[in-house]
Amino acid sequence: GESVGLHLPTLSVQEGDNSIINCAYSNSASDYFIWYKQESGKGPQFIIDIRSNMDKRQGQRVTVLLNKTVKHLSLQIAATQPGDSAVYFCAEVGAGSYQLTFGKGTKLSVIP
Amino acid sequence: DAGVIQSPRHEVTEMGQEVTLRCKPISGHNSLFWYRQTMMRGLELLIYFNNNVPIDDSGMPEDRFSAKMPNASFSTLKIQPSEPRDSAVYFCASSRAGGSYEQYFGPGTRLTVT
Repeated sequence: GESVGLHLPTLSVQEGDNSIINCAYSNSASDYFIWYKQESGKGPQFIIDIRSNMDKRQGQRVTVLLNKTVKHLSLQIAATQPGDSAVYFCAEVGAGSYQLTFGKGTKLSVIP
Repeated sequence: DAGVIQSPRHEVTEMGQEVTLRCKPISGHNSLFWYRQTMMRGLELLIYFNNNVPIDDSGMPEDRFSAKMPNASFSTLKIQPSEPRDSAVYFCASSRAGGSYEQYFGPGTRLTVT
C-alpha cells in the first residue's frame, strides 16, 4: 500500500524541530476530525482525533488544533523524528455519519 | 493482535480478467470498510458493512465492482472484468461498532491492471 507521494504538498523539517501540518476541511457540519499517518507500504494509522466542541487536544508529542470559524485543522508534532516521515491525512466525519472523508494529504520529510 | 489482514499484497492482471481481493478484519470488530487510493482521487470509500450487512455501497464505481461479507471474519472485493483504470491500492479497514470513527486499516493490496 504505497501512499500517493509525487503530487502531494511536502513539508521538510529538520530533526528535532517542531512540525505543523495544515488541513482545510470542507463541511461546516462535520463534528469529528481525525489525523492519520501513512508510511510507505502501509495503510493509514490513527494518530489523534478531536470533536467539534473542542479547539485543542494533545497526545504524545502531537497536538491537534481546530478552528471552526475558518474550517481549519492543524497537526503539530513536537521534536520531529525520522520515524515521523510519512504522509499525513486529515479526515472529517459529518454529524450522525460513519463515513470518513479524507483530505489529499501532506508528505512530511524529516532531515536527519 | 494480527490487525487487519489483506491478501494478496500485490496483484498484476490483464484487462478483462477477474480480480478478487480479500480481507480479514480484526476479531470483534463488526464494521468493515473498503477504500481505494489513487494519486488523482486520494482515499475513497467504496463500501461499508455493519454486522456483515452492506450499509452503503454508493462509492462503488460501477457494476463491475462487487463486495461480499459472508461472515464476521471475511470479506471480498471483486472486480469483473478489470480495466486499467482500476489500478490502485485497495484498503480494507475495520472498527469496533457501527459509526466508530477509529478505523484500523490493513496494509492494502496494490492492483495493477495492464
